Amino acid sequence: AQKITQTQPGMFVQEKEAVTLDCTYDTSDPSYGLFWYKQPSSGEMIFLIYQGSYDQQNATEGRYSLNFQKARKSANLVISASQLGDSAMYFCAPWGRGGFKTIFGAGTRLFVKA
Amino acid sequence: NAGVTQTPKFRILKIGQSMTLQCTQDMNHNYMYWYRQDPGMGLKLIYYSVGAGITDKGEVPNGYNVSRSTTEDFPLRLELAAPSQTSVYFCASSWSTDGYTFGSGTRLTVV
Repeated sequence: AQKITQTQPGMFVQEKEAVTLDCTYDTSDPSYGLFWYKQPSSGEMIFLIYQGSYDQQNATEGRYSLNFQKARKSANLVISASQLGDSAMYFCAPWGRGGFKTIFGAGTRLFVKA
Repeated sequence: NAGVTQTPKFRILKIGQSMTLQCTQDMNHNYMYWYRQDPGMGLKLIYYSVGAGITDKGEVPNGYNVSRSTTEDFPLRLELAAPSQTSVYFCASSWSTDGYTFGSGTRLTVV
């Protein structure tokens, strides 16, 4: 089984600044991955970024990057140069060969201030 | 390519009524999931399936049933609807590390 913990219910960031959203995980799978999703107020779930446990480098996708620390079992999402449109809920989710029972983290609501 | 299609988008049920939420995917994904999301909260896994004919309970299965007779379809059945089942329901599918593809959601109100 896999467990995801997101400890920040809400975060505020000033426009154009960077922000880090925390995600820690606990898994017994030797091979696993972590996804981040964005859910704006309209409700749809938008895939942002993926990090595999065997990836040599931290994943990056445009303004999104992952600070992946395998020993600490954390996969924090970094959003650089925040924009007003980044205001949304953000969810961390696991993937593993034995972890099909995919349980998402509780989410972090990000507020970007002008 | 339609992805994951959920119907209906909105529904109001009376207490004690039953209904089926439909979910269809055209990506040939083996894994499918049903989640519910209460206002301002995260996603709770109701049921999941790793392939046709195989289903298993998630975190909050009580009051729901599922079936998976084909790879494409994964309907969620609500029996004897209760106000506590008022929520937004998401169906999702996945295959390996390609991520989870979500449907647009069904907003259900039980009155």
